[in-house]
Amino acid sequence: QQQVKQSPQSLIVQKGGIPIINCAYENTAFDYFPWYQQFPGKGPALLIAIRPDVSEKKEGRFTISFNKSAKQFSLHIMDSQPGDSATYFCAAPWPHMNSGYSTLTFGKGTMLLVSP
Amino acid sequence: DTEVTQTPKHLVMGMTNKKSLKCEQHMGHRAMYWYKQKAKKPPELMFVYSYEKLSINESVPSRFSPECPNSSLLNLHLHALQPEDSALYLCASRTGTNTGELFFGEGSRLTVL
Repeated sequence: QQQVKQSPQSLIVQKGGIPIINCAYENTAFDYFPWYQQFPGKGPALLIAIRPDVSEKKEGRFTISFNKSAKQFSLHIMDSQPGDSATYFCAAPWPHMNSGYSTLTFGKGTMLLVSP
Repeated sequence: DTEVTQTPKHLVMGMTNKKSLKCEQHMGHRAMYWYKQKAKKPPELMFVYSYEKLSINESVPSRFSPECPNSSLLNLHLHALQPEDSALYLCASRTGTNTGELFFGEGSRLTVL
């Protein structure tokens, strides 16, 4: 089973700060690395995803940095707002044994609190 | 707004009840998934359907029975559940089992008494 190690487990920043969440994966031959944002009582929402052929991707205030050689990728939230307070999950695709299909392995999640 | 719709949003059932969770997507995706999520944990894969055929069953107990009537619909039939089965059940879909991004529904919050 693919391991995805996510850190930190929780994070508190002040409004306007730049929280950084890190993920490390073991191995993959597949095509993308997504981040999900989940609010309490809601399903995970796809936030941003990156392909392994680029080192950085920006969408609004959210940036993914990808280091293929180190097998690491991170999420940066610029000018963070209280509304960004949520749990964030990274994920990486892995070929499911015996089926040939790829499934996502999720990190354990990071609870982010942005204080006003 | 998510384009994966799940009903009901909340369900309370006894251990002897039979109930069903429903999921619908109209994005033309051919892979559909059921995940289970406990509080403060990541989603755990239960089942994967590819082109309406069950492709992956993650050794889920038989009290959970998935069904894929057509490419847009996915059901999860529940029978004789245990209190420890209480969780958020998430449906997700993807263009194909090896292509595209995975989109989740809002989930069905299940409580087993």
